Amino acid sequence: QVQLQESGPGLVKPSQTLSLTCTVSGGSISSGSYYWSWIRQPAGKGLEWIGRIYTSGSTNYNPSLKSRVTISVDTSKNQFSLKLSSVTAADTAVYYCAGHSSSVGVFDYWGQGTLVTVSS
Amino acid sequence: DIQMTQSPSTLSASVGDRVTITCRASQSISSWLAWYQQKPGKAPKLLIYKASSLESGVPSRFSGSGSGTEFTLTISSLQPDDFATYYCQQYNSYFALTFGGGTKVEIK
Repeated sequence: QVQLQESGPGLVKPSQTLSLTCTVSGGSISSGSYYWSWIRQPAGKGLEWIGRIYTSGSTNYNPSLKSRVTISVDTSKNQFSLKLSSVTAADTAVYYCAGHSSSVGVFDYWGQGTLVTVSS
Repeated sequence: DIQMTQSPSTLSASVGDRVTITCRASQSISSWLAWYQQKPGKAPKLLIYKASSLESGVPSRFSGSGSGTEFTLTISSLQPDDFATYYCQQYNSYFALTFGGGTKVEIK
């Protein structure tokens, strides 16, 4: 059973870079032809897909965030990471890591989510 | 981007009611639509994919239909465990996945 776990600072100052890591357990991040995504949800609001990475390193980003987002993968650690630069209060949200197969773009693996607050 | 619009945003219903949630896409997405259920403080859970295929382990009272731009999620007989927020998600635009705004199902 594949499990995902987000980790990283819960508080980030405005204009700084938000950095989160997702650790995949119960299976290899390189196997099964999966894409690994970051999704966020501001309090009381809906879900926003941030972007994803394949184990080859190829990425796709939400056009609205593309200029500020970098997603990377470390297969040796079975982890993938998110960096979001120049954050503002509008980036305060619960951040989820999630996975979907390369053949079906639905998310069948989710982390529990981690709250990141942008505040000075 | 393909925009996904759900209605209603909030729905009040009683146990045993038949509930229908609508999701509309800004352009045709064929049948590339999924539905998720989310409870407070939890990650979303996949219910339905490819518009009408039930995910393994999901109760049969959940069903999905539609194609093109209009889709529905139906709960045939609402149970106490079903009070939650439901989201649709398109994956036709494979490089830009988008979700609907959500429908909260509340106790009447």
